[in-house]
Amino acid sequence: EVQLVESGGSLVQPGGSLRLSCAASGFTFSNYEMNWVRQAPGKGLEWVSYISSSGSPIYYADSVKGRFTISRDNAKNSLYLQMNSLRAEDTAVYFCAKGYCSGGSCYAGDYWGQGTLVTVSS
Amino acid sequence: EIVLTQSPGTLSLSLGERATLSCRASQSISSTYLAWYQQKPGQAPRLLIYGASSRATGIPDRFSGSGSGTDFTLTISRLEPEDSAVYFCQQYGNSPFTFGPGTKVDIK
Repeated sequence: EVQLVESGGSLVQPGGSLRLSCAASGFTFSNYEMNWVRQAPGKGLEWVSYISSSGSPIYYADSVKGRFTISRDNAKNSLYLQMNSLRAEDTAVYFCAKGYCSGGSCYAGDYWGQGTLVTVSS
Repeated sequence: EIVLTQSPGTLSLSLGERATLSCRASQSISSTYLAWYQQKPGQAPRLLIYGASSRATGIPDRFSGSGSGTDFTLTISRLEPEDSAVYFCQQYGNSPFTFGPGTKVDIK
């Protein structure tokens, strides 16, 4: 059974840092691209970042570029999101999602974690 | 950046009725890269349709997708109570991989 479990969300002050983790199981993690998607309270979905199965290429939303860093450890079946210089507008539930793109089929997430809440507030 | 616009914002229909949801892109997208997701309150999104028209694993056949270029449609042929949710389209072809704002489907 595919499982994605996010952790690391918490209350942090503006300007602070946080590292989110996503533990993957039930599939060959090293074969799949991964995405972070966030959802502010009562709002829609916002794609945040992408990392390929090998770790390159990497893409970011303009809203987080230069502040967030996505990474993965295929030996540990884990995905990470290092978030620096946090702002109030980064407050959201952060989901990790297992992506796929091959043979004419492409999507950001056929499996998603339950999400972890990041609150940026003083 | 490709902007996705979804309409209507809210759709209020009765059980058994047909729901037609629209997703319009600001520039042409290959069908390969257009997906639809369903999200219920407090839950993670669920992949419904990928490649504009292919149903994901386990998705009932009352859900169908169509379209090409800049205009895509998600159709729910006969609404069931469990279809009450917000539906998002997303393009996964050009970074940033944008989502539409969503269409909320209410079952009367």
